[in-house]
Amino acid sequence: DAKTTQPTSMDCAEGRAANLPCNHSTISGNEYVYWYRQIHSQGPQYIIHGLKNNETNEMASLIITEDRKSSTLILPHATLRDTAVYYCIVGLMDSNYQLIWGAGTKLIIKP
Amino acid sequence: SQTIHQWPATLVQPVGSPLSLECTVEGTSNPNLYWYRQAAGRGLQLLFYSVGIGQISSEVPQNLSASRPQDRQFILSSKKLLLSDSGFYLCAWSVQGISNQPQHFGDGTRLSIL
Repeated sequence: DAKTTQPTSMDCAEGRAANLPCNHSTISGNEYVYWYRQIHSQGPQYIIHGLKNNETNEMASLIITEDRKSSTLILPHATLRDTAVYYCIVGLMDSNYQLIWGAGTKLIIKP
Repeated sequence: SQTIHQWPATLVQPVGSPLSLECTVEGTSNPNLYWYRQAAGRGLQLLFYSVGIGQISSEVPQNLSASRPQDRQFILSSKKLLLSDSGFYLCAWSVQGISNQPQHFGDGTRLSIL
């Protein structure tokens, strides 16, 4: 199972873009990159996922490098409600695939 | 749309007492179902997953068991709780048969053992 490396914490000013990096140098060819976030005392919320190409949805954009060894989650206009722990996970969301969840990045949005 | 419900939200139990946590999913059929535990400040650890009624796979040897009596119901149980069973328990579901579809989580149960 691939592992990921994320910074422990990051700050971002409200209204600015928040760029959260993730390294996954051992990712396999069929493994996807998933991003979740967890606000204190709640369950993780799915944000976005991708395989090779960059992806965008109403919440965020995901930029995956060409060699797929790293990715960046972009929150285009961060708000105070985006303060959370952000998890980058690689793998397959299939029943018997043991995903490895690290400690994530604590993102603090400052007014 | 699909929703997932977990209850209770918080639970305080004495050591040695039994446990039953329930999770139900609405708006989908034949989902994959999962139970995770999260220690404070850590990532999630998969405990059990299920691909159908009565089909349970365990990932970690432990004091807990899981059951799936109905298609969209997943129950986490213990006959005798240990102090080490304290934690944040999360239920999740995903679409079966499509390996890249994300898992979706409930709001969890915070379990404290005294």
